[in-house]
Amino acid sequence: LAKTTQPISMDSYEGQEVNITCSHNNIATNDYITWYQQFPSQGPRFIIQGYKTKVTNEVASLFIPADRKSSTLSLPRVSLSDTAVYYCLVGDELIKAAGNKLTFGGGTRVLVKP
Amino acid sequence: DAGVIQSPRHEVTEMGQEVTLRCKPISGHNSLFWYRQTMMRGLELLIYFNNNVPIDDSGMPEDRFSAKMPNASFSTLKIQPSEPRDSAVYFCASSVLAGGIDTQYFGPGTRLTVL
Repeated sequence: LAKTTQPISMDSYEGQEVNITCSHNNIATNDYITWYQQFPSQGPRFIIQGYKTKVTNEVASLFIPADRKSSTLSLPRVSLSDTAVYYCLVGDELIKAAGNKLTFGGGTRVLVKP
Repeated sequence: DAGVIQSPRHEVTEMGQEVTLRCKPISGHNSLFWYRQTMMRGLELLIYFNNNVPIDDSGMPEDRFSAKMPNASFSTLKIQPSEPRDSAVYFCASSVLAGGIDTQYFGPGTRLTVL
């Protein structure tokens, strides 16, 4: 499994865009990049997943450069409720049998201030 | 769907006692995962099942920990005997492979305190 490196913490203010970059230099050809969000006292929640270029959903955007050695999660116009820990994971999502063994790193603790 | 259901939500016990944590995965999901989260070690995968069969238990810390999945709708994680260092939040997650994407859905967790 590819190891990931992301900042320990980031502070932001309401209404700003937050960008969290994750490094995964040893990403394999079949690996997908997945981001989870965890609020205090809750389990992690899937945010977004991508393989290359850009993916966007109602919550966030994920930018992946051509070499795929890093990825950036972008949260547009954050609010206080976006305060959480954000985890970047890399793994092979294309296994035929479900049960992808995900390895969570330390995550990035994002604090949104008023 | 109610999501992944875990019980109890909180458990306080004394060292040496047996602890059983329970999980009901989302209906139709065929993979189930048990994680443990502490401040020191973060979120660690303990064991996971695929179609009720244990696939990888390399994360189980020691023989005091055991997990079962007797059917597709129920799993248990047992600690016997429990020790103070087992205090943590234990999460259960389930997933299903759909369209080549395998997304895990986590339960609310069980906060275990061993005195």
